[in-house]
Amino acid sequence: NAGVTQTPKFRVLKTGQSMTLLCAQDMNHEYMYWYRQDPGMGLRLIHYSVGEGTTAKGEVPDGYNVSRLKKQNFLLGLESAAPSQTSVYFCASSWDAGRTGELFFGEGSRLTVL
Amino acid sequence: AQKITQTQPGMFVQEKEAVTLDCTYDTSDPSYGLFWYKQPSSGEMIFLIYQGSYDQQNATEGRYSLNFQKARKSANLVISASQLGDSAMYFCAMRERGSQGNLIFGKGTKLSVKP
Repeated sequence: NAGVTQTPKFRVLKTGQSMTLLCAQDMNHEYMYWYRQDPGMGLRLIHYSVGEGTTAKGEVPDGYNVSRLKKQNFLLGLESAAPSQTSVYFCASSWDAGRTGELFFGEGSRLTVL
Repeated sequence: AQKITQTQPGMFVQEKEAVTLDCTYDTSDPSYGLFWYKQPSSGEMIFLIYQGSYDQQNATEGRYSLNFQKARKSANLVISASQLGDSAMYFCAMRERGSQGNLIFGKGTKLSVKP
């Protein structure tokens, strides 16, 4: 029972490089999310998707792009990485966008931009 | 203004004692959900407990209970009989109607359980 899987788990980039984080879920969830976690800041929403082929901006979308070509996958891209994007990134999915329905999280991806 | 406020950056509790982690929230939506997550040092986010704004009873899940005081906009997590494995960061979060399922998180409380 994989749940939500993120790859890679760790990555070091140089300023200006690009990369893509992959999130895959096997629970047939419609809703998927990308958060970043910084010390003392809790989790903040970057982008989200309410279904295959849809994406929307969250609280801190600048510098990131996303795609949801398949229902089970949600990709987060950094076109030109900056040191301010050093963070731990979490993908999450949910079956329900109502009041109930917890988010299921991946294990996180630690990104360092030098 | 912060939507979720956790005023205790860090707390200590003696093993086997109970501990309360504070959470206050701010919303004008009458329909909302409140969640608590645990993040151990290994980094994963673990769902603990949920409380709906219309729920009459306080939520309980094993040793976890949620002290929901709607008029005070408070949703404190109570952990009974603390164990060493309870040492972790704890995050309070809220989902409002129309938020497309997004959770708004507080900044967290680091709980340390002393033997």
